[in-house]
Amino acid sequence: AQKITQTQPGMFVQEKEAVTLDCTYDTSDPSYGLFWYKQPSSGEMIFLIYQGSYDQQNATEGRYSLNFQKARKSANLVISASQLGDSAMYFCAMREGSGTYKYIFGTGTRLKVLA
Amino acid sequence: DSGVTQTPKHLITATGQRVTLRCSPRSGDLSVYWYQQSLDQGLQFLIQYYNGEERAKGNILERFSAQQFPDLHSELNLSSLELGDSALYFCASSAQGAGGINTEAFFGQGTRLTVV
Repeated sequence: AQKITQTQPGMFVQEKEAVTLDCTYDTSDPSYGLFWYKQPSSGEMIFLIYQGSYDQQNATEGRYSLNFQKARKSANLVISASQLGDSAMYFCAMREGSGTYKYIFGTGTRLKVLA
Repeated sequence: DSGVTQTPKHLITATGQRVTLRCSPRSGDLSVYWYQQSLDQGLQFLIQYYNGEERAKGNILERFSAQQFPDLHSELNLSSLELGDSALYFCASSAQGAGGINTEAFFGQGTRLTVV
């Protein structure tokens, strides 16, 4: 069965520094997609970045990059030059490429950016 | 704006009551997903519909039920409500199919349910 694990319940980072949020996954499907979402205190879910299982290069979107290590089944989110507005919950999610195509989420990491 | 509309945004009700949460997916999206997020918790997958048919079930209680209508909007019915059902309920929609793993789920703003 597919599973997403986020082992960091909370993280602190100094403003303008980089931070890595960990995510490991488990699936037997060779085709899958990995996603990161941000949930600020207002509650909405904001899509940040996507990585496909067959993608050769790590995904990047502005200050967000995804460190994809397929053999280790990890998909860590790297936020560069942290800003106060980055303080939020961050969720890693996976969607398998067969079966139901549902999205499974990890338990999240709460990031606090310090001024 | 994600294009996914959930109503109502807030709901306060008493234990034992029944409520209906409504979701309109993004235009063109055939898949609808329901998630429950309890306080400071992750998103628990409840149920998924695709073009009117149930596709997958997660940790959905028997007191809960859902359906997707021909116009693709979906409703989540919660009955015999308990204090522990208080949570943020999200609806999401996405494209579907073998080429769809690269499409993100678009989330509504959520319905915050408080059972008193």
